[in-house]
Amino acid sequence: AQSVTQPDIHITVSEGASLELRCNYSYGATPYLFWYVQSPGQGLQLLLKYFSGDTLVQGIKGFEAEFKRSQSSFNLRKPSVHWSDAAEYFCAVGPLDSNYQLIWGAGTKLIIKP
Amino acid sequence: ETGVTQSPTHLIKTRGQQVTLRCSSQSGHNTVSWYQQALGQGPQFIFQYYREEENGRGNFPPRFSGLQFPNYSSELNVNALELDDSALYLCASSRDSLGETQYFGPGTRLLVL
Repeated sequence: AQSVTQPDIHITVSEGASLELRCNYSYGATPYLFWYVQSPGQGLQLLLKYFSGDTLVQGIKGFEAEFKRSQSSFNLRKPSVHWSDAAEYFCAVGPLDSNYQLIWGAGTKLIIKP
Repeated sequence: ETGVTQSPTHLIKTRGQQVTLRCSSQSGHNTVSWYQQALGQGPQFIFQYYREEENGRGNFPPRFSGLQFPNYSSELNVNALELDDSALYLCASSRDSLGETQYFGPGTRLLVL
């Protein structure tokens, strides 16, 4: 069955420290891959997406993600987090023949320590 | 360019009632998708509308229905509300081409008592 796993429900990071959020997927074919961020009271905002080509993808707000086909992973990274990065982060995958019907992970809540 | 808007922001209903949620898509977008996000979970795809026709549906019962209007705005209707329908309902709009980003509205928080 198709699924997306975000193993960490919560992650706490000190401001200025580096961040890595994990995402693993189970999918029958090579999917589209996305990372979205959701702040309280706001909708989901796309951070970055991978369709093909270079497996290291740059996104907004200084985030990047690396697609590793052999590990079925698409981990999100940021070298130095800011207090404003505190939010919930969602990984999602979708079929190559449609950019619809995304399958979502359960999310990772990022807490920033001052 | 206006973003995706949803109304109302919050809603309280009782079991068995019906509810209609509304979404205005971003200008230039002809596709609207609806998602249900229960507390502590990721969004679940309900269905998508493209040019006023349903274009894909997730694992939701028929009491979840929708409409898309000629201006590409959309409604989500839920009949015979159940307690488990309490969730954040998200609308996303996009162009219809592959690879196009979905832009999400802020959602409607529905509480069923």
